[in-house]
Amino acid sequence: SQQGEEDPQALSIQEGENATMNCSYKTSINNLQWYRQNSGRGLVHLILIRSNEREKHSGRLRVTLDTSKKSSSLLITASRAADTASYFCAYNFGNEKLTFGTGTRLTIIP
Amino acid sequence: DTGVSQNPRHKITKRGQNVTFRCDPISEHNRLYWYRQTLGQGPEFLTYFQNEAQLEKSRLLSDRFSAERPKGSFSTLEIQRTEQGDSAMYLCASDRIAEAFFGQGTRLTVV
Repeated sequence: SQQGEEDPQALSIQEGENATMNCSYKTSINNLQWYRQNSGRGLVHLILIRSNEREKHSGRLRVTLDTSKKSSSLLITASRAADTASYFCAYNFGNEKLTFGTGTRLTIIP
Repeated sequence: DTGVSQNPRHKITKRGQNVTFRCDPISEHNRLYWYRQTLGQGPEFLTYFQNEAQLEKSRLLSDRFSAERPKGSFSTLEIQRTEQGDSAMYLCASDRIAEAFFGQGTRLTVV
């Protein structure tokens, strides 16, 4: 069973606004990664943050990690229609397999 | 294209038939993973290889499922005596250090 929880489950915003998604987990982790999945397609790797990092940026993406609260957030700034997708956090702890969250379905309204 | 490649992309099979999927990882990646994803859920881990050695199998991987990675290159996932509950997207990923790259998946429909 999946151990990660993502919040919100679904999010609709106007194009140009910022979107924030949150991920919570239950154990210690080595790293946490965020993926995007367009409908019925494979997962695209967005960003990886290690357990000793607190914040990371990549283009319009900003990821934070709070290991004391066992949580991470993904911020997408200046959203575009092409950002419409499902977003998943995934993490590993002690071994290499990834445990995925339940996902956030993001819809950008033009 | 040097990404992870999966074949076929779609497979429709009758209940009780056997199916086999193939995954070609990124060539320099020594770790390969299989995941299963059902509608509206995140992927769930099935099994993992380091080179040709299968190091871990999930409880989700019943005895009808078998995976191989001969010579540590491509991998196959076989499902015997398929059931309707096997309908899902089967995803393959590979990595070398930490960042896992996924293929486009094989969508299996059991009718």
